[in-house]
Amino acid sequence: QQQVKQSPQSLIVQKGGISIINCAYENTAFDYFPWYQQFPGKGPALLIAIRPDVSEKKEGRFTISFNKSAKQFSLHIMDSQPGDSATYFCAARKYNFNKFYFGSGTKLNVKP
Amino acid sequence: SAVISQKPSRDICQRGTSLTIQCQVDSQVTMMFWYRQQPGQSLTLIATANQGSEATYESGFVIDKFPISRPNLTFSTLTVSNMSPEDSSIYLCSVEYQGRPSRVLSYNEQFFGPGTRLTVL
Repeated sequence: QQQVKQSPQSLIVQKGGISIINCAYENTAFDYFPWYQQFPGKGPALLIAIRPDVSEKKEGRFTISFNKSAKQFSLHIMDSQPGDSATYFCAARKYNFNKFYFGSGTKLNVKP
Repeated sequence: SAVISQKPSRDICQRGTSLTIQCQVDSQVTMMFWYRQQPGQSLTLIATANQGSEATYESGFVIDKFPISRPNLTFSTLTVSNMSPEDSSIYLCSVEYQGRPSRVLSYNEQFFGPGTRLTVL
């Protein structure tokens, strides 16, 4: 059973546009939700993370929106740039547990 | 954040052989993890390696196939034993690192190494 469901599988956005990637989870024990960015041939890099006590977190052009009641969270990339073209993974973890549950990934292509 | 290196970065191996992947961290960390990422797929946790104790394996992964060593707080190895083409994948080392102390509530964050791309013929 997939603990974290991610969509879409792939996304094409024009330069300057907004990229939106969505994730949903079932386990209410999850309380830490990071997003990772992975370029080809590289390991995933932590991009931004949120806890469920806030509904939004912004770091530069990247924003996480969190809806606790709907058990959904999303990554918004504002003013998307070709350099943002990568695969993005959402993840979730239970408090005091070390295991992360990863989404299936979204391949983002930002067209110049 | 921690700086993590892996060796080798890639390898092509023959069926039936074994490969040991090394993971080196530039700071002492308690928790180290090994993941597998098949091409175009998500990350699957193989095992958690704590220094001074036996590795804890996830369902579907066994010690005989993926023996792990964790001799100190900065180093770990993963061996892929008796390889078959199905083992072709990217193997990633990850460490758990305490969040910045300035955060009100710090959560341990995981950082990944660059990965080892394994091809088994």
